[in-house]
Amino acid sequence: AQSVTQPDIHITVSEGASLELRCNYSYGATPYLFWYVQSPGQGLQLLLKYFSGDTLVQGIKGFEAEFKRSQSSFNLRKPSVHWSDAAEYFCAVGDRSDKLIFGTGTRLQVFP
Amino acid sequence: DTEVTQTPKHLVMGMTNKKSLKCEQHMGHRAMYWYKQKAKKPPELMFVYSYEKLSINESVPSRFSPECPNSSLLNLHLHALQPEDSALYLCASRSRSQAREKLFFGSGTQLSVL
Repeated sequence: AQSVTQPDIHITVSEGASLELRCNYSYGATPYLFWYVQSPGQGLQLLLKYFSGDTLVQGIKGFEAEFKRSQSSFNLRKPSVHWSDAAEYFCAVGDRSDKLIFGTGTRLQVFP
Repeated sequence: DTEVTQTPKHLVMGMTNKKSLKCEQHMGHRAMYWYKQKAKKPPELMFVYSYEKLSINESVPSRFSPECPNSSLLNLHLHALQPEDSALYLCASRSRSQAREKLFFGSGTQLSVL
């Protein structure tokens, strides 16, 4: 069965600083990988996804992520964080079924 | 229309009540999902409907009863809930039952069971 781990529960950065959120997955084949963002009391919005091809994927709001098979990782990055990026970020992994399994999430705080 | 609409946004119910959560989408999506999310936790999959048929039930207690009356609607019927069932209930849909397709989420129903 697939699983996903986000090692960082809470990250704090200054506005304008760079950001990297870590995600590690466990799956036998090439997984489908996603990053979602959630503001308090809201649903989740897709930032980007990977299922094949170029291992560096670009998403919305200036985010990107890199798939590294050798490290079973799919880390999310942003070169310059804005205060509006403060939210909960979830990495998720899907297999060939309908299931989508979420990691435990990383809460991002941005200081001015 | 690229929205998944959930009603009500907030619901308070007693343990003996019967209530229903409603989810609607008009994007022609044929896979619809219910997730449960406790505070500061990730969403947990409850049910998946694919082409209006229940395809996944993640061993959810029978006090939660899903229903998909047509391709645009998904309901979650609640009966005899427990206080620990208090959570944000999220509906989601995707265009097809394919894992690579993105999920569109509603804003959720915040449920409190007293």
